[in-house]
Amino acid sequence: KAGVTQTPRYLIKTRGQQVTLSCSPISGHRSVSWYQQTPGQGLQFLFEYFSETQRNKGNFPGRFSGRQFSNSRSEMNVSTLELGDSALYLCASSSSGTGELTFFGQGTRLTVV
Amino acid sequence: QKEVEQDPGPLSVPEGAIVSLNCTYSNSAFQYFMWYRQYSRKGPELLMYTYSSGNKEDGRFTAQVDKSSKYISLFIRDSQPSDSATYLCAIFGGSNYKLTFGKGTLLTVNP
Repeated sequence: KAGVTQTPRYLIKTRGQQVTLSCSPISGHRSVSWYQQTPGQGLQFLFEYFSETQRNKGNFPGRFSGRQFSNSRSEMNVSTLELGDSALYLCASSSSGTGELTFFGQGTRLTVV
Repeated sequence: QKEVEQDPGPLSVPEGAIVSLNCTYSNSAFQYFMWYRQYSRKGPELLMYTYSSGNKEDGRFTAQVDKSSKYISLFIRDSQPSDSATYLCAIFGGSNYKLTFGKGTLLTVNP
């Protein structure tokens, strides 16, 4: 069974640009959540989607947005990139997002210059 | 008070040692407890999952939960150099559909 797949693995962007990251969950999983990981803050929750509906959003500015498609695949978008957005962005999937086993992808490392 | 507190270490032990990693949490609504292992430049890998007080064992790993004290632990027996990684505790609770993580403990097992 394939794991959680994130693309691309690495990205370098310039301040002010926007970026879209993609996540394919484990087959059969309908909950997809996104986290930002930085050395200083650790893993911070961005948002969670289930059946194309956002059920929760973390404390991030509106520049961070996401969506989920009918096949459970998800994308997150960051607009007007800032240097502080440089981080490892992690996608996690689970069956229903209610506390069961949750698996992570390898992440997308975003560097903003 | 942070929802989940974890000593960041770093922790350095000789090969074969017993390692104890710990987290405390503040919200009694937390119900599900996980430990992840993260190697450098990789995503977190689920190691242990439990939802009740007590011990759960899987090979060299034992997860322990004490809900009355709001304290969770991960023990690694006969530690190996390949166990060198960052260990993250993660807790799920309530209806907010998210995991709350500790900051992670960096473990180095020296041959």
